[in-house]
Amino acid sequence: DTEVTQTPKHLVMGMTNKKSLKCEQHMGHRAMYWYKQKAKKPPELMFVYSYEKLSINESVPSRFSPECPNSSLLNLHLHALQPEDSALYLCASSQDLGGRMVDTQYFGPGTRLTVL
Amino acid sequence: DQQVKQNSPSLSVQEGRISILNCDYTNSMFDYFLWYKKYPAEGPTFLISISSIKDKNEDGRFTVFLNKSAKHLSLHIVPSQPGDSAVYFCAARTSGTYKYIFGTGTRLKVLA
Repeated sequence: DTEVTQTPKHLVMGMTNKKSLKCEQHMGHRAMYWYKQKAKKPPELMFVYSYEKLSINESVPSRFSPECPNSSLLNLHLHALQPEDSALYLCASSQDLGGRMVDTQYFGPGTRLTVL
Repeated sequence: DQQVKQNSPSLSVQEGRISILNCDYTNSMFDYFLWYKKYPAEGPTFLISISSIKDKNEDGRFTVFLNKSAKHLSLHIVPSQPGDSAVYFCAARTSGTYKYIFGTGTRLKVLA
C-alpha cells in the first residue's frame, strides 16, 4: 500500500479565514513533506518533517503553519492567505533512512486551494 | 539556478511506439533519481527510480537509463499507450538531504 490521503480535495477561502489541510499515511514513513504546485510548474518544497520534528522550512511565510501531531498525520494550517497562494498543495511521505537520507517519496492527490 | 532540467516541454508519440523523455542535471552529487507521472489536478504518481550505482533500471514498460558522465537520464516507455498521456517529472536528490529537486516536466501525448 503506497497511499497518501489528503483532505479536503478542494478548498475555497477568503483572505481572513483560517483553515487546515490534512494529510495521512499508514506506510510507516517517518518523513513527511508539504509541497506547493502552481500550474505548469514543478512541485516546490515548503516543509519537511522527520520523526515528527520540523527539519526543513523553505522560508515559507508564517501564514502557513505546519504541524505533525503523530507519525501518520501532517497538517498545514492556513491563516490570512493571499490570492497568490492559490495552488495545488501536495503532501508526500517517504522512509527516513537516517542521516537525512530518504527513500522514494509518495504523493497524495493534493488539495486544490483557491484564495479569494 | 535550475539544477534539474527537462528541455522538452512536450512530446507527441504514436500509440505502440517508444516514448523517450529526457532529463539533465548539473549537480554531480545527486545520487538518486525518480520519475513521476502527473495527471491534471492530481498528485504525482511514482513510476521508477534509479540509484547512481546503476546505469539502468526496468519495471515493465518503463526503463530508466542513467549516464553519470553526461549527467543525463532518460525514461523509455515501450510500447506507449494513450493512458500514458500525462506530465512526467524527473527528480533528484543528494545523500544527506531530505530535498528532492524536480525538473520542469514534459507533457507526453500518446496518439491513438
